[in-house]
Amino acid sequence: GQNIDQPTEMTATEGAIVQINCTYQTSGFNGLFWYQQHAGEAPTFLSYNVLDGLEEKGRFSSFLSRSKGYSYLLLKELQMKDSASYLCAALDSNYQLIWGAGTKLIIKP
Amino acid sequence: DVKVTQSSRYLVKRTGEKVFLECVQDMDHENMFWYRQDPGLGLRLIYFSYDVKMKEKGDIPEGYSVSREKKERFSLILESASTNQTSMYLCASRSGGRDTGELFFGEGSRLTVL
Repeated sequence: GQNIDQPTEMTATEGAIVQINCTYQTSGFNGLFWYQQHAGEAPTFLSYNVLDGLEEKGRFSSFLSRSKGYSYLLLKELQMKDSASYLCAALDSNYQLIWGAGTKLIIKP
Repeated sequence: DVKVTQSSRYLVKRTGEKVFLECVQDMDHENMFWYRQDPGLGLRLIYFSYDVKMKEKGDIPEGYSVSREKKERFSLILESASTNQTSMYLCASRSGGRDTGELFFGEGSRLTVL
């Protein structure tokens, strides 16, 4: 079956760095997305990776290893506003998104 | 500013009632989606549509139907609501021909069925 695994919850300190991991098993693979969802709000797009390697976008970076079925989202210089859930989703061979349950990130002062 | 608007943020309905959830997008997107979001589970696709008057079943279509009479509007219908349909419902849209494109989500409709 198809499956996405990511930690349920993580805690980090303001100003620090945190890495949120995601492993996936899908029928075929056409890329991996990360979305951010603040409590009570709509998910918003953060990144899309289809090739191996690291893509950097300001304080946020996303990494993909297709051979390992693994991705991570790296958040640097954490701010209180980064407290949110982070959703990992893989695009399968039919271009359907398979979603993880999300990682709730708690930032402490 | 691009927008996906869902008609109701919060609804409370009784078992057996008919429920309409409406979604409108102003981006001229061809593709529209309805998901439900439950604690501890990933987003689950209910129905999607690639064009006006077209609809495709997602992973959990049972108990739901949809309508897409106009390009900008995609409605989710619960013919006879049940307590296990209590959930957060998210509408999303995406530009056509871009299966790898990002989804734009609405704010969600939290439905409680008593």
